[in-house]
Amino acid sequence: KAGVTQTPRYLIKTRGQQVTLSCSPISGHRSVSWYQQTPGQGLQFLFEYFSETQRNKGNFPGRFSGRQFSNSRSEMNVSTLELGDSALYLCASSLVGSPGNTIYFGEGSWLTVV
Amino acid sequence: SQQGEEDPQALSIQEGENATMNCSYKTSINNLQWYRQNSGRGLVHLILIRSNEREKHSGRLRVTLDTSKKSSSLLITASRAADTASYFCATLLNTGTASKLTFGTGTRLQVTL
Repeated sequence: KAGVTQTPRYLIKTRGQQVTLSCSPISGHRSVSWYQQTPGQGLQFLFEYFSETQRNKGNFPGRFSGRQFSNSRSEMNVSTLELGDSALYLCASSLVGSPGNTIYFGEGSWLTVV
Repeated sequence: SQQGEEDPQALSIQEGENATMNCSYKTSINNLQWYRQNSGRGLVHLILIRSNEREKHSGRLRVTLDTSKKSSSLLITASRAADTASYFCATLLNTGTASKLTFGTGTRLQVTL
């Protein structure tokens, strides 16, 4: 079956703009989480959604937000983009969101802010 | 913030040799997962080891977990050029947050012919 699908794969935005990234989890997976990867900070947790509810949030400013739809697809939004938001944004999904489950990642969305 | 460190930061070996990467973490965990990342790509799941397990195998991969030392190791045997990638350990913390992985800093593995 299909893996975690993220769109778009690459995008370039200007400072001050906003961006929306999309993620389709593996079929049947209800837990979706987002991570940011940068050379300086490494891989950092943004937030997790389960059954349309945000269950956990990382230490990021309020400009970073997300949501999950009834079909488990998720979007994350970054408003008022800053140069430091340039990163690889990774979406991950797991079967039921319990601690024993494998967490699978998509290919990521490369965001460049100029 | 990072959960811990991976050691070494970079490793260069020849094809056919074994590669060992170590991961240390700071808090109690539910499980630890290892991932591979090729340059510019997403994370590929390699293996999951639960906190009550000490060793696990998958093909050419062997993972050990020592919860008393808060450390894990990943051994890749008979390495191939295709194993060239960055390897990350990630821990699932024991707080009921089911999908919040905390990653190590990663080991860059270079396998040369």
